[in-house]
Amino acid sequence: LAKTTQPISMDSYEGQEVNITCSHNNIATNDYITWYQQFPSQGPRFIIQGYKTKVTNEVASLFIPADRKSSTLSLPRVSLSDTAVYYCLVAPRGFQKLVFGTGTRLLVSP
Amino acid sequence: ETGVTQTPRHLVMGMTNKKSLKCEQHLGHNAMYWYKQSAKKPLELMFVYNFKEQTENNSVPSRFSPECPNSSHLFLHLHTLQPEDSALYLCASSLIWTSERDNEQFFGPGTRLTVL
Repeated sequence: LAKTTQPISMDSYEGQEVNITCSHNNIATNDYITWYQQFPSQGPRFIIQGYKTKVTNEVASLFIPADRKSSTLSLPRVSLSDTAVYYCLVAPRGFQKLVFGTGTRLLVSP
Repeated sequence: ETGVTQTPRHLVMGMTNKKSLKCEQHLGHNAMYWYKQSAKKPLELMFVYNFKEQTENNSVPSRFSPECPNSSHLFLHLHTLQPEDSALYLCASSLIWTSERDNEQFFGPGTRLTVL
């Protein structure tokens, strides 16, 4: 599996847009990029998945450049409840042995 | 509410006890997983079951014994655990071999296990 690198932590304020970038230089042709969110003492929750260009859903947007060596999770107008750990995963579609790294701990303050 | 339930939510046990963790999914999925999350460490995949058959054992010590009687239920039987086994144990399920969001696993709330 491609190794991923993301910031250990980020701070933001309510109402701001937050962008978390993940590097995955060794991404394979058949790999997809998936982001999960985890609140304390809960299981992770799927946020968004993409292969290339831009994907948007009701929660977030995912920007993937043409070379696919990085991706950016964008959270519009964060609130206190967005304080969580965000994980970037790279794996082929259907791959079950997901590898969660240390993630990015996002702290949203008033 | 993810459709995956786990019981108990909290468990304290001694090293000589035997206990079991239970997971149930109400999503019609065909794959189930056990993960371990220790304090300040990444999630570690322990076991994978597809259609009730174990397909992955990630070098887990034999004091952890999984059981999957059907596609909706998954158990983790615990015996003679060590204090370092204290962690959050998470169950997940997914629908494999479909066309969309194949990497989406649905997680339960976890069981917080403390081994004394």
